[in-house]
Amino acid sequence: AQKITQTQPGMFVQEKEAVTLDCTYDTSDPSYGLFWYKQPSSGEMIFLIYQGSYDQQNATEGRYSLNFQKARKSANLVISASQLGDSAMYFCAMRELNSGNTPLVFGKGTRLSVIA
Amino acid sequence: DVKVTQSSRYLVKRTGEKVFLECVQDMDHENMFWYRQDPGLGLRLIYFSYDVKMKEKGDIPEGYSVSREKKERFSLILESASTNQTSMYLCASRTSGTGELFFGEGSRLTVL
Repeated sequence: AQKITQTQPGMFVQEKEAVTLDCTYDTSDPSYGLFWYKQPSSGEMIFLIYQGSYDQQNATEGRYSLNFQKARKSANLVISASQLGDSAMYFCAMRELNSGNTPLVFGKGTRLSVIA
Repeated sequence: DVKVTQSSRYLVKRTGEKVFLECVQDMDHENMFWYRQDPGLGLRLIYFSYDVKMKEKGDIPEGYSVSREKKERFSLILESASTNQTSMYLCASRTSGTGELFFGEGSRLTVL
C-alpha cells in the first residue's frame, strides 16, 4: 500500500529566504508520480509541481523545485525566495502508475508561515 | 478555463438529514474523486469513479455513497448525516494517465 509522510505540521520562514518542506513516500510500484499542492486560506487546491519516478532530472517550476531522492524515497519541495503569499498548507501526494486508475494519496500537510 | 464546480461552498444540516454534494467538471475527464479534509489528517479519499456508472471505495467510504450517471457529474450522498461528518469535502477530476488532479473550491459541511 502506498503511503505519504509529511513530518512537519508547521514551518516558519523569513521572507526572501528559501524553505524546504519534507515528504517521504513508500511504494512497491517502480512507476509512480509525485505531486505537490498548495492550499491557501481561501481553500482552493493549487497544483505546483510533478515528478515522475523515471524522470532523470529534478522538476522545477519557477520558484518551486522538487528535490527527488529516489533511493531515500524522498520528494522534498524547495521554495526559493519566499513571499508572504506563500503562506499556506502544502500537501505532498503520490500515485502509483502501474495499477490502472489509482487515486492520488495525500500526506497530512505542512502549514507554512512566511514572516515579513 | 478548466473548471470543477461544487454546488455549495457552505452547508449546515441536522443530524439524520440526507445530504447531497454535487460536483460538475467541464473538462471531459474520465476520473472523478471525493476527498474529505480534516485538520491534522490531510485529504482522505472517500470514493472515486473512473467511468460513468462506475464507482470504487476509497479509504473512508462508511456513511457515504456516490452517483455518477453522467460523465461530467459526480455526487456524494450522506444518507443520514452525523456530527462526525462535519468536514470540508473536496471534489476533483483528472483525465486518465499521469495527469494532475483539478479540484473544486470545496464544500464545508456542518452537521448539528
